[in-house]
Amino acid sequence: AQSVTQLDSQVPVFEEAPVELRCNYSSSVSVYLFWYVQYPNQGLQLLLKYLSGSTLVKGINGFEAEFNKSQTSFHLRKPSVHISDTAEYFCAVSGADSSYKLIFGSGTRLLVRP
Amino acid sequence: DVKVTQSSRYLVKRTGEKVFLECVQDMDHENMFWYRQDPGLGLRLIYFSYDVKMKEKGDIPEGYSVSREKKERFSLILESASTNQTSMYLCASLRDRARNTIYFGEGSWLTVV
Repeated sequence: AQSVTQLDSQVPVFEEAPVELRCNYSSSVSVYLFWYVQYPNQGLQLLLKYLSGSTLVKGINGFEAEFNKSQTSFHLRKPSVHISDTAEYFCAVSGADSSYKLIFGSGTRLLVRP
Repeated sequence: DVKVTQSSRYLVKRTGEKVFLECVQDMDHENMFWYRQDPGLGLRLIYFSYDVKMKEKGDIPEGYSVSREKKERFSLILESASTNQTSMYLCASLRDRARNTIYFGEGSWLTVV
C-alpha cells in the first residue's frame, strides 16, 4: 500500500517569491506521482506527473517537481508565484501496478500575498 | 478537452433521505470514481467502476452505493443520509489505466441537516 504526507497545511508567501510545497510518500512498489491543484469552488486539475524517466518534471503554470527516490519525496516548486496561484495543492501517489487508484495527501493551501 | 459534469453543485438534504449524486463524462472513459473531500483529510476514494455494471469498493464505502448502467454515467447513492456525510463529493474519470491522468468534475457540496 501507498501513503502520502504533505507536511505543511498552509504556506503563505509574497507575490514573486519562490515557493516549495513538500510531499513525501511511502510505498513498497514502484510508484507514479502527481500534483493536482484545486482553485476555490472547483474540482482538481492535474499540474504534473512523474511516471518514469527524468526525475525533474515540468508542468503547467510554471510549476515543476523533482522525484527523489532515496528521500521518497516529490516536492513542488515555482520560482516566482502570482496572486492567481492561491489555491490548494494535492500530492498523490499510485502504485505502478495499480495506477488507476490514487492515494492523496491532505493538501497544502498556498496563500500568495501582494 | 475532457468534461466531467456533476449535475448538482450544492445540495441540502435531511437526515434519513435518499440522495443521488450524478456524474457524466463525455470522453468514453472506462473508469470512473467517486471521492469524498474533507478538510485536513484530502480526498478519499469511496467507490470506483472499471466498466458498465462493474464496481469496486474504495477506502470508505460504508453508507454509500453506486450505479453504472451506462458507460458515461456514474451515480453515487446515499441510502439514508446522515450528518457525517456532509462533505464535498468529487467525481472523476480515467480513459484507461495505462494513461494515468484522472479528470475531475467540479464537485458537489452536500449538506445533511
